[in-house]
Amino acid sequence: GESVGLHLPTLSVQEGDNSIINCAYSNSASDYFIWYKQESGKGPQFIIDIRSNMDKRQGQRVTVLLNKTVKHLSLQIAATQPGDSAVYFCAEPLAAGNKLTFGGGTRVLVKP
Amino acid sequence: EAGVTQFPSHSVIEKGQTVTLRCDPISGHDNLYWYRRVMGKEIKFLLHFVKESKQDESGMPNNRFLAERTGGTYSTLKVQPAELEDSGVYFCASSKRVGGAVHEQFFGPGTRLTVL
Repeated sequence: GESVGLHLPTLSVQEGDNSIINCAYSNSASDYFIWYKQESGKGPQFIIDIRSNMDKRQGQRVTVLLNKTVKHLSLQIAATQPGDSAVYFCAEPLAAGNKLTFGGGTRVLVKP
Repeated sequence: EAGVTQFPSHSVIEKGQTVTLRCDPISGHDNLYWYRRVMGKEIKFLLHFVKESKQDESGMPNNRFLAERTGGTYSTLKVQPAELEDSGVYFCASSKRVGGAVHEQFFGPGTRLTVL
């Protein structure tokens, strides 16, 4: 079946370094992906999205890369800060109602 | 503008009891979604309302779960009777409805349910 999953459950990164979070998907027809950030005690918050007609999209300190050949996307966070500590999910809206299918999540821990 | 709110933030109940979770979406958002994350697993879709109508309830795990959205405003999700495996965090999200375009879903903080 269709699935969106993550490679690493936990990523520990030094403050100021760059973070890379990976996600794999199985449906080659997928055309839209979203990255969410979930901080402790809060719900998932939209970070950035990308459509399949793009390979790369940049936001403020974040970049999403999409490799359709290997069905892989990644979220890069530049100059990781303590406020970036959270669980990050990749997600894909499915069907006409846009229900989201989430990956398993990666926890990012920023060390001072 | 107020975000999506959920009540309660935490609920601890015993197996066999009933619990009702409430979600208040952002005003004017016709779409309302329920998701849940059980321990160690990914967030999973439960159901989707468009106004007061159930658009998709394919994710509801069994008939112990009942969701309503009377009047198309707030929604409730009742679990009766609760089982141990129902423990997890229940999220609600809402979005605008404008044609068939994908619109960002705004999530509430979730309700953490613990069934003992």
